[in-house]
Amino acid sequence: EVQLVESGGALVQPGGSLRLSCAASGFTFNNYGMSWVRQAPGKGLEWVSAISGSGGSTFHADSVKGRFTISRDNSKNTLFVQMNSLRAEDTAVYYCAKQVRIAAHRDAFDIWGQGTMVTVSS
Amino acid sequence: QSALTQPASVSGSPGQSITISCTGTSSDVGGYVYVSWYQQHPGKAPKLMIYDVNNRPSGVSNRFSGSKSGNTASLTISGLQAEDEADYYCSSYTSSSTYVFGTGTKVTVL
Repeated sequence: EVQLVESGGALVQPGGSLRLSCAASGFTFNNYGMSWVRQAPGKGLEWVSAISGSGGSTFHADSVKGRFTISRDNSKNTLFVQMNSLRAEDTAVYYCAKQVRIAAHRDAFDIWGQGTMVTVSS
Repeated sequence: QSALTQPASVSGSPGQSITISCTGTSSDVGGYVYVSWYQQHPGKAPKLMIYDVNNRPSGVSNRFSGSKSGNTASLTISGLQAEDEADYYCSSYTSSSTYVFGTGTKVTVL
């Protein structure tokens, strides 16, 4: 079964840091680009970051550029996002998502994890 | 990057057809075929319903269809059923090598 399981969400103070993980199973992880998408409480979806299958290309939304870094460990089938200088507006459920096609540079997201909650508050 | 514009809510009776619009710009919806639609039930992860404007993933009902004209994409749900009641989001790849989602539409089955 193709599955994504996020972890690492927590309550953190403004200005703090957090690293989220996403464990993948059931598919050849390094063949697919991956993304992080977040959803603030009661709000819509917001794309955060994307990374190619090899990890050689990364992309970030303007709202997190310079503060968040997406990475992956293909030997462990795991996706990460390192979040620094966290702000109240980063409070959200964070989902990891898999792209539909192998080695696609631009693609939709067909498999999503269950999400992990990040709360930024003092 | 501003969110794509969707109507806040759309409703219909069982068996009817409804259409949700998604308006962007030539830098996103109008410039690429990489437009997708997601269904999200309360407390659940999003589910891919349509990709590349009008393609359905395996397992998605053929009651769901997509189209695009200029800077506006559309999702049509025909034969509306109670289980279709959910939030729907469009998404597009952009000229900045990023993705943008729509504002979301709540579908109510009357």
